[in-house]
Amino acid sequence: DSGVTQTPKHLITATGQRVTLRCSPRSGDLSVYWYQQSLDQGLQFLIQYYNGEERAKGNILERFSAQQFPDLHSELNLSSLELGDSALYFCASSVALAGYNEQFFGPGTRLTVL
Amino acid sequence: AQSVTQPDIHITVSEGASLELRCNYSYGATPYLFWYVQSPGQGLQLLLKYFSGDTLVQGIKGFEAEFKRSQSSFNLRKPSVHWSDAAEYFCAVGARGGSQGNLIFGKGTKLSVKP
Repeated sequence: DSGVTQTPKHLITATGQRVTLRCSPRSGDLSVYWYQQSLDQGLQFLIQYYNGEERAKGNILERFSAQQFPDLHSELNLSSLELGDSALYFCASSVALAGYNEQFFGPGTRLTVL
Repeated sequence: AQSVTQPDIHITVSEGASLELRCNYSYGATPYLFWYVQSPGQGLQLLLKYFSGDTLVQGIKGFEAEFKRSQSSFNLRKPSVHWSDAAEYFCAVGARGGSQGNLIFGKGTKLSVKP
């Protein structure tokens, strides 16, 4: 158990819909990362927050957005869903910003878009 | 652009045999280097990491990795594989300096272990 929690574990929805994925980082971790894992693209970095502020963006679609709240939990919002958005979405957390800090990964949310 | 290549998509080894998983990276300087393991239905767990110093690093579960700057490689090894090592293994790089800590992952190598 990494200490990072993600809800829900599974999500099945239809094209065009909007969903929200939630992540609670490890106690004391200020940095939260979102990654998408799909068969064709592999593990791709989406976005990073540190203490409530966005710090880095990766291959995140405009239809996707995220935020980190004062209690440090984070939400990833996916809208106008397409079949290709079906993937495993991971949240990870680390104590600080820098790249040498170990990232602890949650168990993921599996999104299926029908 | 930074990238990580894991040339082997799937490897099968016999239990008790040695293992080497390959990883090559492309980066302007020496990045931070990581190996993660993902068991079916699980998140990723850090096996080991390289930041600086001794180029042979030891990790959990009996794994080790060697950083070779001249080859831009960071291969993962284990002298004797156990059936519980069957999983998918990901090599990743992290940028030195700056305030961005995101990782760039390879496509992964799936390890199967024969009894």
